[in-house]
Amino acid sequence: GAGVSQSPRYKVAKRGQDVALRCDPISGHVSLFWYQQALGQGPEFLTYFQNEAQLDKSGLPSDRFFAERPEGSVSTLKIQRTQQEDSAVYLCASSLPTMGEAFFGQGTRLTVV
Amino acid sequence: GENVEQHPSTLSVQEGDSAVIKCTYSDSASNYFPWYKQELGKRPQLIIDIRSNVGEKKDQRIAVTLNKTAKHFSLHITETQPEDSAVYFCAASDQAGTALIFGKGTTLSVSS
Repeated sequence: GAGVSQSPRYKVAKRGQDVALRCDPISGHVSLFWYQQALGQGPEFLTYFQNEAQLDKSGLPSDRFFAERPEGSVSTLKIQRTQQEDSAVYLCASSLPTMGEAFFGQGTRLTVV
Repeated sequence: GENVEQHPSTLSVQEGDSAVIKCTYSDSASNYFPWYKQELGKRPQLIIDIRSNVGEKKDQRIAVTLNKTAKHFSLHITETQPEDSAVYFCAASDQAGTALIFGKGTTLSVSS
């Protein structure tokens, strides 16, 4: 497709379960970003890749959060031992380096019960 | 690190009125300032952006102004329409293509 694709769109996890969220960026987009958006809040930066290199992971809230982009295209955000406070929409965005617009995916709504 | 403050958190206007949303940023190295519109349940979409070598940019009913000295930037929407109702986010980064730091958003309601 032409846009950023995320899957699944919705995920319900029991507390303590591990989850994996997938992002397919726009073809050719070198930069990829993960954001966490709590209800009624702005997107909070989690981590940033340029190709396969993770250049910034300063926003990851704990060592339970891990992201990878092994071949410089698809990225996976993994959350281990999910907690209720992890419930949020996880947004992925991609862009060309030094260019303006970051294109967002539809997000994955994670609910931890 | 960068911190972006956005005001107001909610804004209600009558159709045809103007709406202004203001943001401040903390990092003087920031030089790219986009504005995103997010409708309920949808993805954020870029509506306008400005770089620090420009003081103002317009696109039809939307304009953005930037004051680098004061570290302020603002979104202006004229002749508002009901379809402008959404949450608007400002953001800043130290260059286009790097991580954006977002404000907390402004919920704009335009009533007809």
